[in-house]
Amino acid sequence: RKEVEQDPGPFNVPEGATVAFNCTYSNSASQSFFWYRQDCRKEPKLLMSVYSSGNEDGRFTAQLNRASQYISLLIRDSKLSDSATYLCVVNRTPGKSTFGDGTTLTVKP
Amino acid sequence: EAQVTQNPRYLITVTGKKLTVTCSQNMNHEYMSWYRQDPGLGLRQIYYSMNVEVTDKGDVPEGYKVSRKEKRNFPLILESPSPNQTSLYFCASSLGTVNQPQHFGDGTRLSIL
Repeated sequence: RKEVEQDPGPFNVPEGATVAFNCTYSNSASQSFFWYRQDCRKEPKLLMSVYSSGNEDGRFTAQLNRASQYISLLIRDSKLSDSATYLCVVNRTPGKSTFGDGTTLTVKP
Repeated sequence: EAQVTQNPRYLITVTGKKLTVTCSQNMNHEYMSWYRQDPGLGLRQIYYSMNVEVTDKGDVPEGYKVSRKEKRNFPLILESPSPNQTSLYFCASSLGTVNQPQHFGDGTRLSIL
């Protein structure tokens, strides 16, 4: 079993839709969590850090559920520009980062 | 401008010819890391460094070496490259390792023939 698993996708949604991605992790001692987006094999860019209390940034909401060991990303009112691959990242121990394989989102007009 | 700079961006070379991919950051970050990205496998950590002269293996360190002699630089060395090291490589840095997001370089596309 992989240490970090993501919904494989792809997700194809119309503009304006709400879409949610989940990511599960296996190491209960994992310390910090992030969502990144990656466009077409370019460098990953930070979308949001994920905190236990949940956090929101405009149309994006991230949640962490430590008991069930998953993180989620909710995108509301999807835009064409949201089309990308979304990567969850789990820092297991100081220094060691594990990326999910990514979920591809395509937002269509 | 705060950035992580990798060089070269693209390289085609032959099996066995030693090469170095440089990585430099100008943000005074303590932590630096190297990843490779292959289709269907996501980003996998090769090596990381928590500070100067401190390096540790990631998940796929075989065939790679690193050094951290200065805070800003973290070169990735392939002593005897092989075709299975053909990949897209990313260098990243962060202020620390707890709750600190990583900033990535533009990537290096490496082809080993």
